[in-house]
Amino acid sequence: AQSVTQLDSQVPVFEEAPVELRCNYSSSVSVYLFWYVQYPNQGLQLLLKYLSGSTLVKGINGFEAEFNKSQTSFHLRKPSVHISDTAEYFCAVSDPGTGNQFYFGTGTSLTVIP
Amino acid sequence: KAGVTQTPRYLIKTRGQQVTLSCSPISGHRSVSWYQQTPGQGLQFLFEYFSETQRNKGNFPGRFSGRQFSNSRSEMNVSTLELGDSALYLCASSLALGGRDTQYFGPGTRLTVL
Repeated sequence: AQSVTQLDSQVPVFEEAPVELRCNYSSSVSVYLFWYVQYPNQGLQLLLKYLSGSTLVKGINGFEAEFNKSQTSFHLRKPSVHISDTAEYFCAVSDPGTGNQFYFGTGTSLTVIP
Repeated sequence: KAGVTQTPRYLIKTRGQQVTLSCSPISGHRSVSWYQQTPGQGLQFLFEYFSETQRNKGNFPGRFSGRQFSNSRSEMNVSTLELGDSALYLCASSLALGGRDTQYFGPGTRLTVL
């Protein structure tokens, strides 16, 4: 089974500063990678996903992520955050080797400070 | 298109009771997955249904069960509730069976077991 590690449980950052949320997964076999965002009292919303091809993936709301196979990482970045980016962010892996079951990290709480 | 809907949004039960949660996927989506979200464990996969058949199951006891109807609506049932079952239960739908397809999440059902 896969495991997904989000190294930072909480990340405070000032408005308009850049941010990176880190994600590592356990297996180097081919997987699909996702970042989701969860606002308070809501379900999860897809930010971006990596299936194949270019390792730099662009998503909604100005977010992007880079897939690094050798380091089994899929870090999420945004060059300039807004107050509205305050939310919980989840990294997820889908492993075709286990019937495409989704494995989620424990989440990173991003707080944007005005 | 209407999103994924879950009913009820909030539930309070006592230990030993059973509960049934309902999920209506996005129209045309045939896959429905269920997750349990708790502060300590994050999101944990319960099961996935596709075409009325359970295709994947997470590591949960047999007290957790589910089913999918011919219109793709899904229900999950938890019998003999325990305090530790208190959680946000999320349902997600996708066009096809797991993996590459984006999962669209509902707002969740907040279950409190007293």
